[in-house]
Amino acid sequence: NAGVMQNPRHLVRRRGQEARLRCSPMKGHSHVYWYRQLPEEGLKFMVYLQKENIIDESGMPKERFSAEFPKEGPSILRIQQVVRGDSAAYFCASSPPDEVYGYTFGSGTRLTVV
Amino acid sequence: GQNIDQPTEMTATEGAIVQINCTYQTSGFNGLFWYQQHAGEAPTFLSYNVLDGLEEKGRFSSFLSRSKGYSYLLLKELQMKDSASYLCAVRDWAGNMLTFGGGTRLMVKP
Repeated sequence: NAGVMQNPRHLVRRRGQEARLRCSPMKGHSHVYWYRQLPEEGLKFMVYLQKENIIDESGMPKERFSAEFPKEGPSILRIQQVVRGDSAAYFCASSPPDEVYGYTFGSGTRLTVV
Repeated sequence: GQNIDQPTEMTATEGAIVQINCTYQTSGFNGLFWYQQHAGEAPTFLSYNVLDGLEEKGRFSSFLSRSKGYSYLLLKELQMKDSASYLCAVRDWAGNMLTFGGGTRLMVKP
């Protein structure tokens, strides 16, 4: 049973380009969460999704950022017109419904904006 | 909202015991979690407390006092491989989202 799969592991983008981060949850997990981690800081919640629905996007910047979790395929975190301040590690986590013991995290995508 | 505080850094000696504290102020509470995160890697689950008291799991134990908004993670017989960041997280009342503290970076020295 594969864990939470994120790709790419490392992504370099120039300022103004788009970044697409992918997350495939564990088998049987229908809830996906995206977190951002700046260097030397904790994990900051961005968005919580279930299949085809955004449940909570209170941590998502209002502009340039969007997320989806389609019926088929991975969850996508999309950052348009990236800026240097977007450089961070982006972690995806997944859980089944009614999970007691929290999430399982993926290995993250490290985005560097040059 | 949630506010979670933990020390930024701690240092301890191999073989010793270390206690990492976490205090929280929340508008709703449905469990407290500790995760371990090695540099450049994913956080991994260590422990979960929802009722007051001590949960022991091998060399690691976690304590919760809901009335005080306080938890600690106790690491015994420290090993060099325990050098990592330890993240305290609180689950909201809806039961889904985890809010994380800033993490405590633990350095274990020989």
